[in-house]
Amino acid sequence: GAVVSQHPSRVICKSGTSVKIECRSLDFQATTMFWYRQFPKKSLMLMATSNEGSKATYEQGVEKDKFLINHASLTLSTLTVTSAHPEDSSFYICSARGQGGTGESQHFGDGTRLSIL
Amino acid sequence: AQSVTQLGSHVSVSEGALVLLRCNYSSSVPPYLFWYVQYPNQGLQLLLKYTTGATLVKGINGFEAEFKKSETSFHLTKPSAHMSDAAEYFCAVTLLREGGKLIFGQGTELSVKP
Repeated sequence: GAVVSQHPSRVICKSGTSVKIECRSLDFQATTMFWYRQFPKKSLMLMATSNEGSKATYEQGVEKDKFLINHASLTLSTLTVTSAHPEDSSFYICSARGQGGTGESQHFGDGTRLSIL
Repeated sequence: AQSVTQLGSHVSVSEGALVLLRCNYSSSVPPYLFWYVQYPNQGLQLLLKYTTGATLVKGINGFEAEFKKSETSFHLTKPSAHMSDAAEYFCAVTLLREGGKLIFGQGTELSVKP
């Protein structure tokens, strides 16, 4: 149980392109989803927290207009990197937290490797 | 404010040897504590967690961790390392009242030598 699917797993695109990453909870309702960025050999940096039906809460230093987050349903959140540039290249990971017994834990997707040329 | 410190960014053990990965936390109230494992180019997988109750927690793949409040520690151990244990390990802390945000340690890369 508690499976989170993240898509795509890898994307390569040109500078200036906008890229959308999807995060789905497959077998539970995710009241809260989290988006992380991970640099090589580094820990996870929380970018934002999103609750279904409300605006995301961004961490300090994260550009809201650059990283658009939508959490339209209890099973889907999306992260759109707008007008991506090479410095946005990174490994992006989502996680989802449910209710009840799963509420204590976050369940992670497999990540998206974003490469901007 | 909460924080997590993992001592040693890289730990190397021989196959069959004891694995000990150290984690210390800072929190003003009792936190929930987690250990996650990450294999290359993958997300994080939960190994084990401590919320309340028994302070010795057993997880998957033979790992266990003990919550020691007096030492503010949550070290991860495994009696006998296997080659497949080679990965990155993250300790994390959360306070549910803060919406479940996870604060991660810096990570420890575990290498297992044949």
